[in-house]
Amino acid sequence: KAGVTQTPRYLIKTRGQQVTLSCSPISGHRSVSWYQQTPGQGLQFLFEYFSETQRNKGNFPGRFSGRQFSNSRSEMNVSTLELGDSALYLCASSLHGGTSYEQYFGPGTRLTVT
Amino acid sequence: AQSVTQPDIHITVSEGASLELRCNYSYGATPYLFWYVQSPGQGLQLLLKYFSGDTLVQGIKGFEAEFKRSQSSFNLRKPSVHWSDAAEYFCAVGANTDKLIFGTGTRLQVFP
Repeated sequence: KAGVTQTPRYLIKTRGQQVTLSCSPISGHRSVSWYQQTPGQGLQFLFEYFSETQRNKGNFPGRFSGRQFSNSRSEMNVSTLELGDSALYLCASSLHGGTSYEQYFGPGTRLTVT
Repeated sequence: AQSVTQPDIHITVSEGASLELRCNYSYGATPYLFWYVQSPGQGLQLLLKYFSGDTLVQGIKGFEAEFKRSQSSFNLRKPSVHWSDAAEYFCAVGANTDKLIFGTGTRLQVFP
């Protein structure tokens, strides 16, 4: 079974631009969670989608948004990019969502904002 | 609020030596506990998890962890470390919310 895939793997954007990252979960998984990883803040939860609905959201500004499609693929969008948004963005898929089920992580998208 | 503490930022061991990575959590009830490993440039791979039952949990790659409620700990152990174990290790707690709360990680360096 194929794992979680994230595209693109690397991205360089300029401050003020917007960016869209994509995540394809493991086949059959209905939950997708997004995390931001930075050296200073570590791994922080962004949001979780289950069956196209956002179920939980972390403490990030409204510039960070996401959505999930009917095939469970998910995208996250960051508008008006800031230098501090440079990070590794990880998505994780889970069969039913929630932390009682194992979350499988993708390789991440490395976003650099200049 | 839930939290996870990994007191060791960086650990260095010799190949073949035993390993113990510390993890302490703060949570009111019995949490779901996880250990993940991240190699450079990679995502996170689940090593093992504890939900309930036997407090000694076996994972992949020869790792095990023990849940100690009285100490609020979930330390990761391996009897003999291999050079390929060099990576960053994250302890995480899952609670009633749908998110994992991660510790700050422990970077493991293995000397031949």
